[in-house]
Amino acid sequence: GDSVTQMEGPVTLSEEAFLTINCTYTATGYPSLFWYVQYPGEGLQLLLKATKADDKGSNKGFEATYRKETTSFHLEKGSVQVSDSAVYFCALKNTGFQKLVFGTGTRLLVSP
Amino acid sequence: NAGVMQNPRHLVRRRGQEARLRCSPMKGHSHVYWYRQLPEEGLKFMVYLQKENIIDESGMPKERFSAEFPKEGPSILRIQQVVRGDSAAYFCASSPPGQGFQETQYFGPGTRLLVL
Repeated sequence: GDSVTQMEGPVTLSEEAFLTINCTYTATGYPSLFWYVQYPGEGLQLLLKATKADDKGSNKGFEATYRKETTSFHLEKGSVQVSDSAVYFCALKNTGFQKLVFGTGTRLLVSP
Repeated sequence: NAGVMQNPRHLVRRRGQEARLRCSPMKGHSHVYWYRQLPEEGLKFMVYLQKENIIDESGMPKERFSAEFPKEGPSILRIQQVVRGDSAAYFCASSPPGQGFQETQYFGPGTRLLVL
């Protein structure tokens, strides 16, 4: 079945450091790919998405490019802030299905 | 435009009791999804509903769990005879109708169920 694999956390960075959170997927067909962010005690918020190969999703300084050849959708940010501390989830939704398939999440901790 | 609303936000039940979780989708949304997040894990799909119809319940446990989305009122996730393993955060999401599989799901704040 479809699955998403994320790098284990926590990822600990200093403010203004460069961020990469790796995400790879396994799916038949042509899924859409998503990054969601979860702040402590809250629900998930959509961060960005890409619906086809080579699309780049971006929002709030975060970017991710849909790479079909490597089945990846890595999340990047050039300069993180303390307020970016949260859990980040990579997810896919495959053609013909409505359910999201999530990775296990990566916790990001940014210190001043 | 209010977001997805869930209540209660926190629910404590003793083993054997029933838990009833409510979800009101965003205005104009007719698709509702329920996900469960166990401690330190990602979210797992449970069920997808449209008004008065269960479309996909492939993630629902076979026993004790049921879901509905009536013509009027919120969607309800019902857990009968709760056990400690049901302790988790339950998230509801909604999406608008008719936009295909690429439409975005918007999540509520979740209900955190604790079974004593």
